[in-house]
Amino acid sequence: AQKITQTQPGMFVQEKEAVTLDCTYDTSDQSYGLFWYKQPSSGEMIFLIYQGSYDEQNATEGRYSLNFQKARKSANLVISASQLGDSAMYFCAMRGMDSSYKLIFGSGTRLLVRP
Amino acid sequence: NAGVTQTPKFQVLKTGQSMTLQCAQDMNHEYMSWYRQDPGMGLRLIHYSVGAGITDQGEVPNGYNVSRSTTEDFPLRLLSAAPSQTSVYFCASSYPGQNTEAFFGQGTRLTVV
Repeated sequence: AQKITQTQPGMFVQEKEAVTLDCTYDTSDQSYGLFWYKQPSSGEMIFLIYQGSYDEQNATEGRYSLNFQKARKSANLVISASQLGDSAMYFCAMRGMDSSYKLIFGSGTRLLVRP
Repeated sequence: NAGVTQTPKFQVLKTGQSMTLQCAQDMNHEYMSWYRQDPGMGLRLIHYSVGAGITDQGEVPNGYNVSRSTTEDFPLRLLSAAPSQTSVYFCASSYPGQNTEAFFGQGTRLTVV
């Protein structure tokens, strides 16, 4: 069975500093995709970044990067130069070879950026 | 750009009532799905559809029905609401595949009393 584990229920970071949000996954699929979503207090789900299991380079999108370590089955999100607007819930998710194309979500990490 | 539109945004139901959560997308996505979000549990798949006329059950389908008569619309029906269905519901759409980003609606906060 596929599983996503996010072990940090909540984190603080000082504005302008970098922060790493942890995500480990478990799957027997050879091919899969890893995603990070942001959920601000307004409730919507915002796509941040994607990493494919066969991608050799870590994905980057602006201030977001994904530290992908396939052997360790980890896909940590790194946010550089944190901003107050980064305060939100962050979810790691995975899509495997299941024909339902379902996204398996972790329980999330609540990030609070301090001024 | 409308993207994925969900209505209503908030709803309070009495136990035993039925209702339909509406979801529409204008991106011509074949794949649509419904998730529920409960505290501390992330999102869980209720039902999904890979195209018009094709639906299937997800992880937590009991108490919900869906249909897909058009590419654009994917309503979720609660047959007889129960307090355990109090949750935030998200509709999502995407192209099918492992590497495709899912676009989410703004969510519906449902309370069953």
